Amino acid sequence: DTVLTQSPALAVSPGERVSISCRASEGVNSYMHWYQQKPGQQPKLLIYKASNLASGVPARFSGSGSGTDFTLTIDPVEADDTATYFCQQSWNDPYTFGAGTKLELK
Amino acid sequence: QVNLLQSGAALVKPGASVKLSCKASGYTFTDYYIHWVKQSHGKSLEWIGYINPNSGYTNYNEKFKSKATLTVDKSTNTAYMELSRLTSEDSATYYCTRRLNYYSAPFDYWGQGVMVTVSS
Repeated sequence: DTVLTQSPALAVSPGERVSISCRASEGVNSYMHWYQQKPGQQPKLLIYKASNLASGVPARFSGSGSGTDFTLTIDPVEADDTATYFCQQSWNDPYTFGAGTKLELK
Repeated sequence: QVNLLQSGAALVKPGASVKLSCKASGYTFTDYYIHWVKQSHGKSLEWIGYINPNSGYTNYNEKFKSKATLTVDKSTNTAYMELSRLTSEDSATYYCTRRLNYYSAPFDYWGQGVMVTVSS
């Protein structure tokens, strides 16, 4: 299975820029997606196919990468962005998710 | 608006089975595959498998092949997942989600999730 590795946690101040990384154990082309999950809620799609902003998602969110290395960037970070962020690949079967990066605001 | 409405929380005994439902609305049910995802408490997400609502074709993650069975009822736009021979390892929140069937497609809408607790 394709393993997706994310840093476990980050803490930033409102107004700062934050980058969340996701590294795949094998190439996934550009078929990487990002989701935001707040406590008690279902995941919400933010970015699809590495760099495409999902409908209704603020332009503060952006994505980049291809192959094995991907990044989700939030600039500037707002208080409402406190959540866990997951990457997910749809190139290899089975589809897999990263363990999630918990973003906290200082 | 697109909505995936899942059935309520379930408390089931070890060794028993449970059938979860996911009722779709706001779009053409047969245009999207329905996928199921497991989230153990405080942990990451695991893809269980998908069903093509039009044909009934299923594809499972090898890990869940003997655990989950996916079905649909096109007449009610509802997808089902039955989990069998439940153990404490199956206690988790289960989500249904939809996806177009091509490589670049993400899971764009998710159900609210259903918590399954396996306990005697």
